[in-house]
Amino acid sequence: QKEVEQNSGPLSVPEGAIASLNCTYSDRGSQSFFWYRQYSGKSPELIMFIYSNGDKEDGRFTAQLNKASQYVSLLIRDSQPSDSATYLCAVWTIGSQGNLIFGKGTKLSVKP
Amino acid sequence: DTEVTQTPKHLVMGMTNKKSLKCEQHMGHRAMYWYKQKAKKPPELMFVYSYEKLSINESVPSRFSPECPNSSLLNLHLHALQPEDSALYLCASSQGSRAENTEAFFGQGTRLTVV
Repeated sequence: QKEVEQNSGPLSVPEGAIASLNCTYSDRGSQSFFWYRQYSGKSPELIMFIYSNGDKEDGRFTAQLNKASQYVSLLIRDSQPSDSATYLCAVWTIGSQGNLIFGKGTKLSVKP
Repeated sequence: DTEVTQTPKHLVMGMTNKKSLKCEQHMGHRAMYWYKQKAKKPPELMFVYSYEKLSINESVPSRFSPECPNSSLLNLHLHALQPEDSALYLCASSQGSRAENTEAFFGQGTRLTVV
């Protein structure tokens, strides 16, 4: 059973702080890793993807991947109230024929 | 442009009705997906079309019937649904289904209510 685990939260951070979201996955064959942001009642929006070990930065967002530890994280610098949403970690594994395995999501709340 | 367009945005239907959800993308993506999402749950995969052929059907009841008329369009035909089928139905697309091009982009979803 392929699994993707996230802390459901809520994770509460003050405005301007760094928010750190974590995700672990069970299948060592996993190859592609994605972070989606989902506002209440809206559809998931892709904000970051990472394929290789290390860090990938895009604006205020940094994705980190450690395949040996089967761990992927998302850092949000200078958090804003507009970042308040549920963040879904998704993993793609070869052989899954396009089936993204989603974690249950972490709810982030950024307090002004 | 990473736009996936879904219509309608909202749909209320009775249990004896037949309706269709539509999805369109013009990004040249060759993989298209239907997901179902219940409140406070992650999206659950229903169907995958790869190069216009159905490649995955995740044991979805036959009252849901997908169709891929061409590489840009994906439909989901609904018939004799149950109230528990009420959910947000999401369409997504990606360039393909290989690791290096699997970024999936979602449409805005159709909020379906079955009465």
